[in-house]
Amino acid sequence: NAGVTQTPKFRVLKTGQSMTLLCAQDMNHEYMYWYRQDPGMGLRLIHYSVGEGTTAKGEVPDGYNVSRLKKQNFLLGLESAAPSQTSVYFCASKDGGELFFGEGSRLTVL
Amino acid sequence: ILNVEQSPQSLHVQEGDSTNFTCSFPSSNFYALHWYRWETAKSPEALFVMTLNGDEKKKGRISATLNTKEGYSYLYIKGSQPEDSATYLCAFSGARDDKIIFGKGTRLHILP
Repeated sequence: NAGVTQTPKFRVLKTGQSMTLLCAQDMNHEYMYWYRQDPGMGLRLIHYSVGEGTTAKGEVPDGYNVSRLKKQNFLLGLESAAPSQTSVYFCASKDGGELFFGEGSRLTVL
Repeated sequence: ILNVEQSPQSLHVQEGDSTNFTCSFPSSNFYALHWYRWETAKSPEALFVMTLNGDEKKKGRISATLNTKEGYSYLYIKGSQPEDSATYLCAFSGARDDKIIFGKGTRLHILP
């Protein structure tokens, strides 16, 4: 009964390095979302997808890219990490109603 | 830019007291309003998703109302318990796209 799984859970990067966060859901949901959580800022939407092969920009898309090649997976990429991207990243999926969240991925960029 | 505002930012309530807080959102192009409960070191969990003006939903001691014409929703907690301590998030989605935009949350502390 996995739900939404994010990998990795923790990662430390140096400025300029690249990495990919993977979000996998086993609920056959059409919609998937990537948020970042920063102190005092709540959850801010980075990118989202309304179905396999589609992506769209959210509130804070700069510095991130995404892909949804398979319905169950939504990848978030950082091409050249910056200290401002230090954050906790949450993935979520939904079908018609509520969002189901993963456990979060804590990323630190030095 | 969608603006979803929650007030207050933080709230201290004595155990056993009732409380409520507010979410305000754009009143045009409304599709749905979500409420989530977020405990420290966990992931947000859905409380309610409301879509109709005048909607009232209830789950145990927690209830919510929705006014889409004026763009606000209230979350009520009756007889607060220590386990109610959490951050409560609201989120708005509009009719024109599928973005779900969150407010910054109300941090609720229950005092014993």
